[in-house]
Amino acid sequence: AQKVTQAQTEISVVEKEDVTLDCVYETRDTTYYLFWYKQPPSGELVFLIRRNSFDEQNEISGRYSWNFQKSTSSFNFTITASQVVDSAVYFCALSEARGYSTLTFGKGTMLLVSP
Amino acid sequence: EPEVTQTPSHQVTQMGQEVILRCVPISNHLYFYWYRQILGQKVEFLVSFYNNEISEKSEIFDDQFSVERPDGSNFTLKIRSTKLEDSAMYFCASWQNTGELFFGEGSRLTVL
Repeated sequence: AQKVTQAQTEISVVEKEDVTLDCVYETRDTTYYLFWYKQPPSGELVFLIRRNSFDEQNEISGRYSWNFQKSTSSFNFTITASQVVDSAVYFCALSEARGYSTLTFGKGTMLLVSP
Repeated sequence: EPEVTQTPSHQVTQMGQEVILRCVPISNHLYFYWYRQILGQKVEFLVSFYNNEISEKSEIFDDQFSVERPDGSNFTLKIRSTKLEDSAMYFCASWQNTGELFFGEGSRLTVL
């Protein structure tokens, strides 16, 4: 069975601070995908990244970066120089690497960025 | 940019009533999904649909739920007799094989 744990329920930061959202996962699969989604107050789910378990290179996209550590089963997400618009709930998710695999989501971390 | 569209955005219904939530997946996608998010909780998988049949379903997806793709474009989720605990945001999603699962903006269902 797959499981995703986001231990941080809520994080509050002041604008321009860096913040890291933690994600720890469990799976018996040797190949899998990891995802991060953003859910702003308006409610939609916004795709941020998908990472294949074979690819352990860290990735950077603008102010966002992801640190995948297979040895510790973690896929952490860092926002550099946070902005008020980053305020949202962030979900980490896991899926098997097969044709129509479903996503198992963590409970989410609510990030509040104040001016 | 391609998108998944869902209607209605919000529906209020009385307990025991039937509800149909509609989704138009991205046109060349082959895999379709419904997920549910009870307020303040995590997103949970309900059902996946491929080649005009259910390919996988969760424990949540019991006999009161059904899905169909009646006309080749719409993908619907029907709840036959709604219960209070069905109140949630329902997300439709579609997938092609490129890795990104595209979600719609969700349909909020409130059961009174």
